[in-house]
Amino acid sequence: QKEVEQDPGPLSVPEGAIVSLNCTYSNSAFQYFMWYRQYSRKGPELLMYTYSSGNKEDGRFTAQVDKSSKYISLFIRDSQPSDSATYLCAMSLTDSWGKLQFGAGTQVVVTP
Amino acid sequence: DAGVIQSPRHEVTEMGQEVTLRCKPISGHNSLFWYRQTMMRGLELLIYFNNNVPIDDSGMPEDRFSAKMPNASFSTLKIQPSEPRDSAVYFCASSPLSNNEQFFGPGTRLTVL
Repeated sequence: QKEVEQDPGPLSVPEGAIVSLNCTYSNSAFQYFMWYRQYSRKGPELLMYTYSSGNKEDGRFTAQVDKSSKYISLFIRDSQPSDSATYLCAMSLTDSWGKLQFGAGTQVVVTP
Repeated sequence: DAGVIQSPRHEVTEMGQEVTLRCKPISGHNSLFWYRQTMMRGLELLIYFNNNVPIDDSGMPEDRFSAKMPNASFSTLKIQPSEPRDSAVYFCASSPLSNNEQFFGPGTRLTVL
């Protein structure tokens, strides 16, 4: 079993809909949680960064962490065709903060 | 402000040849990471450096792979000899020591024939 599980998709939604993405993990020691967006043939770019449990909102993006369930989510409101990309979750341990464990990535397609 | 710079962007080589990938991290970032991305295995960490010192190379697949960071502004990943199964996109990322927000370069797409 992988440490971080993420459904690869593809997830297809109409423009304006809410996109809901999630990852589950097995290591309860993970403390830092991130979401990266990767456009085709580009490098991943950091979207959201959270520490421990709770919610974080940034514009149309909301990240949630539920450590009791070992489950993290990313919501994209009012989705746009420009949001079409692969979204990767990543997480790290408190004591080895430099090393990130990535999920496989979920491909999202927002159709006009 | 320039982001992480990688060269070359594309590399096509024949099996058995030496391949050298290059990376310039963001100025002021003290941590540098080399990743490999494939459809089958996703994004894998190969090795990372803090202050030019290799910290964890447990992800380096074989002795054919080696990485160096001679100074704070330059790193190389070398594959010698290369094999077709090394074909992948190789990313370099950097971050400040104060947090683990990693910034990725555009990647080098390597094809070994």
